[in-house]
Amino acid sequence: GAVVSQHPSWVICKSGTSVKIECRSLDFQATTMFWYRQFPKQSLMLMATSNEGSKATYEQGVEKDKFLINHASLTLSTLTVTSAHPEDSSFYICSARGQGVSNQPQHFGDGTRLSIL
Amino acid sequence: EDKVVQSPLSLVVHEGDTVTLNCSYEVTNFRSLLWYKQEKKAPTFLFMLTSSGIEKKSGRLSSILDKKELFSILNITATQTGDSAVYLCAVGERNSGNTPLVFGKGTRLSVIA
Repeated sequence: GAVVSQHPSWVICKSGTSVKIECRSLDFQATTMFWYRQFPKQSLMLMATSNEGSKATYEQGVEKDKFLINHASLTLSTLTVTSAHPEDSSFYICSARGQGVSNQPQHFGDGTRLSIL
Repeated sequence: EDKVVQSPLSLVVHEGDTVTLNCSYEVTNFRSLLWYKQEKKAPTFLFMLTSSGIEKKSGRLSSILDKKELFSILNITATQTGDSAVYLCAVGERNSGNTPLVFGKGTRLSVIA
């Protein structure tokens, strides 16, 4: 069964709205979670690395004030797309890897399809 | 500069065919190589490879790693239309616990009935 839960799976909202996406690890604790963005027929683009209890590490070109990441517990990270605009429409995916056990694979949530009108 | 290169980028086969997908990589501190299958949603985990020469197998899918030549292959035998997907190869580096995977661009496999 799913080990990483992502919610919501689909969001449609008006331009200017802020949208929060949740990523939960279900059967394990994750000190680190990753947020990706994917455009149609393209590969995953890493946006940021979310670290429990500290600030996220953003990839070059990703605005940290636009994409707010909070990793307040070992099982939950949130991505908030602030004041979303149509160009933010995309497929957002989180992933997580268990802590304390070496060489665990990353598991992905089911993704959130965001459509900004 | 691409660290993980997959080939071919796309492939169309008929049901029953056998396909081989390739992934070559170049990383400083190799830890593991992973294969994922992505259909309409997020990628689902297939295999994780850490040692050379040991084949991992799951049903009609199998994969092997060559750490000397820095590549891996994913084989699918007796393909079915349900195998149609993008297959992603990713490499993990041995730096710290929070190092993200490096993904290739994927191979888009289409299996025709």
